[in-house]
Amino acid sequence: QSALTQPPSVSGSPGQSVTISCTGTSSDVGAYNYVSWYQQHPGKAPKLMIHDVSKRPSGVPDRFSGSKSGNTASLTVSGLQAEDEADYYCSSYGGSNNLVFGGGTKLTVL
Amino acid sequence: QMQVVESGGGVVQPGRSLRLSCAASGFALSGYGMHWVRQAPGKGLEWVAVIWPDGSQTYYLDSVKGRFTISRDVSQNTLYLQMNSLRAEDTAVYYCARDGLGAWYWMDVWGQGTTVTVSS
Repeated sequence: QSALTQPPSVSGSPGQSVTISCTGTSSDVGAYNYVSWYQQHPGKAPKLMIHDVSKRPSGVPDRFSGSKSGNTASLTVSGLQAEDEADYYCSSYGGSNNLVFGGGTKLTVL
Repeated sequence: QMQVVESGGGVVQPGRSLRLSCAASGFALSGYGMHWVRQAPGKGLEWVAVIWPDGSQTYYLDSVKGRFTISRDVSQNTLYLQMNSLRAEDTAVYYCARDGLGAWYWMDVWGQGTTVTVSS
């Protein structure tokens, strides 16, 4: 049950695009299309942003998009806005009846 | 409006027990898998346990197996996490979350969390 690997931090200026990677293994990210992404503002509960690798729930801006290649999933935030500044976590079914999260990435809007 | 509200957190000594509750509204627990996820102070999210939509199966993080039990009361539409033999490393905010499709897919409804502090 090892955590997925995310960069500790990324940053970008308003209007720019940033991509957050989430690297797992052939047993989790690489094996299933059950990758999700969550946004968490300080002191708040996580919010679902992407599920099933690239599907956006109703109400999530289309500036948020997800993809996967091999054992690495990615979240791209386009047209950065100040309110996008938050922590982002990926998760995946880990096989063997467990679910794993990434360590989290702090997105800073400069 | 679908929501879940956790309660039952507090300060407890190592080795003692605590039971967390998660009251659901706007949807029936009997139709969804439910998770407990925790977040230690200043740390990331960690999945703890899941109960199947029909309640037939439960699965746990290795470090809590044998100590924690996830259960539910569909008549009360409430999810529980019984935590025994608590350790300092169990200190965290505990969230309950609804699985959007079954049991391993995505968490689309989250509560605000309840804080558990294990300390002597």
